[in-house]
Amino acid sequence: KNEVEQSPQNLTAQEGEFITINCSYSVGISALHWLQQHPGGGIVSLFMLSSGKKKHGRLIATINIQEKHSSLHITASHPRDSAVYICAVEMYSGGGADGLTFGKGTHLIIQP
Amino acid sequence: NAGVTQTPKFQVLKTGQSMTLQCAQDMNHEYMSWYRQDPGMGLRLIHYSVGAGITDQGEVPNGYNVSRSTTEDFPLRLLSAAPSQTSVYFCASSYGLFWNTEAFFGQGTRLTVV
Repeated sequence: KNEVEQSPQNLTAQEGEFITINCSYSVGISALHWLQQHPGGGIVSLFMLSSGKKKHGRLIATINIQEKHSSLHITASHPRDSAVYICAVEMYSGGGADGLTFGKGTHLIIQP
Repeated sequence: NAGVTQTPKFQVLKTGQSMTLQCAQDMNHEYMSWYRQDPGMGLRLIHYSVGAGITDQGEVPNGYNVSRSTTEDFPLRLLSAAPSQTSVYFCASSYGLFWNTEAFFGQGTRLTVV
């Protein structure tokens, strides 16, 4: 079973700051997902990546397969970015559908 | 496009009662799954299905039952509710097995068992 560790668990920052959330996993994967969950709300997929880097607006996700590590960056953070950010990994298991293994999430608060 | 629709959003049950959490998707996705989210823990897989007529157990299947009679619907049944099943439940779907495909999640069902 893959162990997924996120850091930090909680992060409070001021509006405009550059934010980094980290995710490490223990076993090789086929893909990694970054998800966003607002308080009381559903879960939204931000990125799915298996190598390199992806960018969407102010969000950037990177992955280093060799080091088993991924980062989610938020540039020019805004209070509406306040949410829980969840890292999830999937492993190819030869046709077995194991679903996703999730980290515990990073609770981000951006203060005005 | 409605995406993944879960009902109800909130539910209170008494210990021993049974109920069904509904999940439907309109994206013609083959893969559907149910997760539970508990404080201080990551989401955990309960049951999943890779297509109509095919279901299998995940990490925490005890006390839950599923069926997949159509591609669109994947209901989760609590057979005899217990306080330990108090949780937030999420249904998810994707085009195929998760690899290299985006996962879509429902809005969640907050269940309290008293």
